[in-house]
Amino acid sequence: DARVTQTPRHKVTEMGQEVTMRCQPILGHNTVFWYRQTMMQGLELLAYFRNRAPLDDSGMPKDRFSAEMPDATLATLKIQPSEPRDSAVYFCASGLMAGGSDEQFFGPGTRLTVL
Amino acid sequence: TQLLEQSPQFLSIQEGENLTVYCNSSSVFSSLQWYRQEPGEGPVLLVTVVTGGEVKKLKRLTFQFGDARKDSSLHITAAQTGDTGLYLCAGDAELSYNTDKLIFGTGTRLQVFP
Repeated sequence: DARVTQTPRHKVTEMGQEVTMRCQPILGHNTVFWYRQTMMQGLELLAYFRNRAPLDDSGMPKDRFSAEMPDATLATLKIQPSEPRDSAVYFCASGLMAGGSDEQFFGPGTRLTVL
Repeated sequence: TQLLEQSPQFLSIQEGENLTVYCNSSSVFSSLQWYRQEPGEGPVLLVTVVTGGEVKKLKRLTFQFGDARKDSSLHITAAQTGDTGLYLCAGDAELSYNTDKLIFGTGTRLQVFP
């Protein structure tokens, strides 16, 4: 049963610390998305990659956030330095996109709390 | 800016009742998707509707895409406790060309009591 996996599932850190979240997309999927979910803002797209190349990161605060895909089996989202307003659940999703509204498969999320 | 407003925001009902959730926008979408998210998990796709006026049924769930492709509804018949969750609609971010970006709705949190 192929699934998107994310680590860690929970992270509590102090303001100013670096946070790295990891995602393993489903094997064979060509597109990886990073989302952030909060009660106030809902589910927001931060960035996404196609065949490991960044296509859009306009939803991401560039000064502190960075997203990379070192290889096809790993996507990372880094926050440095973290701030309390970054507290949220961060989801990774992957899909085999043909240019239309194909299905996105979401991971279980990383719940981040910045104190 | 394309926005998807969902109503109601919260819904609390008893098992066996029927309910309808709405997803509205002033923008036209190429297609709309409906997801359900359970606590501690990511959203899971329920259905994709692509044609104006289209109706799709998934057991007790009926999805409709508006004729003008600006709105959609989800109707659940005889709700069960297993239907509890956050329901999200999502549409293509751009109409003019194919893109994989989705705009997610504000969400409807459904609680079904036994």
